[in-house]
Amino acid sequence: GAVVSQHPSWVICKSGTSVKIECRSLDFQATTMFWYRQFPKQSLMLMATSNEGSKATYEQGVEKDKFLINHASLTLSTLTVTSAHPEDSSFYICSARAGGSSYNSPLHFGNGTRLTVT
Amino acid sequence: QKEVEQNSGPLSVPEGAIASLNCTYSDRGSQSFFWYRQYSGKSPELIMSIYSNGDKEDGRFTAQLNKASQYVSLLIRDSQPSDSATYLCAVATGYSSASKIIFGSGTRLSIRP
Repeated sequence: GAVVSQHPSWVICKSGTSVKIECRSLDFQATTMFWYRQFPKQSLMLMATSNEGSKATYEQGVEKDKFLINHASLTLSTLTVTSAHPEDSSFYICSARAGGSSYNSPLHFGNGTRLTVT
Repeated sequence: QKEVEQNSGPLSVPEGAIASLNCTYSDRGSQSFFWYRQYSGKSPELIMSIYSNGDKEDGRFTAQLNKASQYVSLLIRDSQPSDSATYLCAVATGYSSASKIIFGSGTRLSIRP
């Protein structure tokens, strides 16, 4: 149980284009999903909290107009990197709690999306 | 001060020995604590969660929590080469499903044959 599916696994795009990453909870409903970014040899940095049916909550320093998050259903959240630049190249990972409203539930992660912007 | 601190390592441990990984956190209101393992190029996978002071054992893994000292540790007994990975300590604060989980920078563990 508690499977989070993320697509695509990797993507290469040209500078200035937009890329959409999908995150699905396959066997549970997730009112909240979390998007992390990880640069090489660094830890996971929380970018934003995605809330079903409402606006995402962004962490300080994360541009909401650049990283568009949509959480239209209880099983799907999307992250769109708009006007991507080489410095956006990173490993993007989504996650969700499988325990419903339980704050004690751990996060389960998707397999991540490696974005390379040329 | 970082919210969750770990020694970056690398920590080198001989096969069959006990590996000890440590983590400290700054927010006294933290409620939930997790250890994740991350292989290079992969996403993290949950090893253990702990919520109360004391020890919690699961197979070769033992998590220890001391809220007064704001300290969490993970012991790996009978270390295997497959345990070589980066271990991430994660801490959650709050009482809602939207409470954030903050990760430490990770400790790189290497098990030498």
